[in-house]
Amino acid sequence: EPEVTQTPSHQVTQMGQEVILRCVPISNHLYFYWYRQILGQKVEFLVSFYNNEISEKSEIFDDQFSVERPDGSNFTLKIRSTKLEDSAMYFCASSGTLGNTIYFGEGSWLTVV
Amino acid sequence: AQSVTQPDIHITVSEGASLELRCNYSYGATPYLFWYVQSPGQGLQLLLKYFSGDTLVQGIKGFEAEFKRSQSSFNLRKPSVHWSDAAEYFCAVSTSGTYKYIFGTGTRLKVLA
Repeated sequence: EPEVTQTPSHQVTQMGQEVILRCVPISNHLYFYWYRQILGQKVEFLVSFYNNEISEKSEIFDDQFSVERPDGSNFTLKIRSTKLEDSAMYFCASSGTLGNTIYFGEGSWLTVV
Repeated sequence: AQSVTQPDIHITVSEGASLELRCNYSYGATPYLFWYVQSPGQGLQLLLKYFSGDTLVQGIKGFEAEFKRSQSSFNLRKPSVHWSDAAEYFCAVSTSGTYKYIFGTGTRLKVLA
């Protein structure tokens, strides 16, 4: 069964450092997403991406965050200058059509120290 | 404002007992409804979804859910719980034309042997 894969599974970084989280969405999917889950809290939408541009973003997704699809298979989330409050599990997801079922990866756990 | 409420933060049941996890939503448009399960340290796995049609939907692992528009609810049920069902369960809502899911805060299920 096709799946969304994410790397790294866990990353520890110092405050102020740049972090790139990588994702390989399901191959025939066209819509890509990042969500995050701060420990003990709900899963929150960050951003969606379609046709090489951001389709929608939440208020969490400020100028510190960016997304990119550098080639035909990868989808990345960059945090330019990490803060302690960026510590969370970051989920990549993809879907075949708008509003259809979203398939999530296993997450990348980011710890900012 | 759009919201999803899962009133029960923790639920404990004995193995073999029946289970019902509650989910209520507040959404202006016709909702798409989902239940996801998250085992410790794992990603989000889709259990089932409702888009339209029959209001009782069947999912994986023996789960089912019933959409009740009059009650704005989408409760998850299982007739006989197995120890492996211990996990956190998230209800989510979306609608046609939007890219994001709104998640509930989750219900952590504990299963007693």
